[in-house]
Amino acid sequence: SQELEQSPQSLIVQEGKNLTINCTSSKTLYGLYWYKQKYGEGLIFLMMLQKGGEEKSHEKITAKLDEKKQQSSLHITASQPSHAGIYLCGADANNDMRFGAGTRLTVKP
Amino acid sequence: SAVISQKPSRDICQRGTSLTIQCQVDSQVTMMFWYRQQPGQSLTLIATANQGSEATYESGFVIDKFPISRPNLTFSTLTVSNMSPEDSSIYLCSVELDTGGNEQFFGPGTRLTVL
Repeated sequence: SQELEQSPQSLIVQEGKNLTINCTSSKTLYGLYWYKQKYGEGLIFLMMLQKGGEEKSHEKITAKLDEKKQQSSLHITASQPSHAGIYLCGADANNDMRFGAGTRLTVKP
Repeated sequence: SAVISQKPSRDICQRGTSLTIQCQVDSQVTMMFWYRQQPGQSLTLIATANQGSEATYESGFVIDKFPISRPNLTFSTLTVSNMSPEDSSIYLCSVELDTGGNEQFFGPGTRLTVL
């Protein structure tokens, strides 16, 4: 089965700093989803990447998909306290959604 | 961690009928959620199942179409009412443990096909 590994597991950054979260798959990625979760809330869909080399942005969050490396990265520019939460990557293999373990982001004001 | 089971695992239904999906978790949890994943699309949050009160629905989802019950802290049901082929999807429940870890655990999903 497809396994997703996220790094780092947790991240503490000062407000205004940039950061990157990585998601590596054990198998070829045909599509990758990024979600954000805040405590007590459901997963919020951020973006979906389908093609190698694809890059998408949502406000100050940018994600890229590197098919050759079977990896996706999520980059946040000039982080703010509102960016705090858990970021999860997910991959769809025959409609069986797999998730990484998540990266817990804390942004210190 | 939490062990979550869903029933049924899959079903094929006729247009206009309703299906109730059950979600059972092996420990008491405060937060339970219902999601839908349509073919080729992302996971979409339908609602938060609140114990002892009405569910909280996300934009685009209404109680008449997706009634939800949460009679206790380990069980919830989602009904897909008056189904149409557009409701064909995988429906997943998830829970967030009360341990403060903020980690969500997903059930195995219910694959629904509406003819």
